[in-house]
Amino acid sequence: DAGVIQSPRHEVTEMGQEVTLRCKPISGHNSLFWYRQTMMRGLELLIYFNNNVPIDDSGMPEDRFSAKMPNASFSTLKIQPSEPRDSAVYFCASSLEAGGRGNEQFFGPGTRLTVL
Amino acid sequence: AQSVTQLDSQVPVFEEAPVELRCNYSSSVSVYLFWYVQYPNQGLQLLLKYLSGSTLVKGINGFEAEFNKSQTSFHLRKPSVHISDTAEYFCAVSEWSNLFFGTGTRLTVIP
Repeated sequence: DAGVIQSPRHEVTEMGQEVTLRCKPISGHNSLFWYRQTMMRGLELLIYFNNNVPIDDSGMPEDRFSAKMPNASFSTLKIQPSEPRDSAVYFCASSLEAGGRGNEQFFGPGTRLTVL
Repeated sequence: AQSVTQLDSQVPVFEEAPVELRCNYSSSVSVYLFWYVQYPNQGLQLLLKYLSGSTLVKGINGFEAEFNKSQTSFHLRKPSVHISDTAEYFCAVSEWSNLFFGTGTRLTVIP
């Protein structure tokens, strides 16, 4: 298996532009998670999906952020409009939610976003 | 609510010396506990996890951790570190499908 795939790996954009981050989870996994990592705030859970349905989006910072999972093999995280404080590494992770709590999350390589 | 505390933000240690990275958790229910490692410019990888049974858990790369319910701790140990162990280490506690991560401990192995 190729693991969790994220694209792009690096994104540099200007303030006010729309940014779309993409994630392909591991085949067969039915839970998907979006995290943001910064030096100041560490690793933060933004949102997670179970069977393509958003379960908890309380970590989404504000309305400029939105996430979708149209099918089991694809998810997007969109920021519109982007701001410099959104600069961070964004990780996608997936897990096999069979009884849930003991399941390992597999992380993608991350997307490093820089908003100028 | 569940939370994780990693008291040490940075731990320098000489090569071949032992190391312990501390993790304490709070939870009102039984927990599943994890240690993840993040190498530079990479995503997180699972080192080990405690689900039930023996309180001493062995993971990859020679790491082990001990679950101590009375002290609500899950400290990570390695008897002899290598340069390649230099990385960020995260402790996490599981709630349903979700994980709550600590703030991480930066382990730096000095030659």
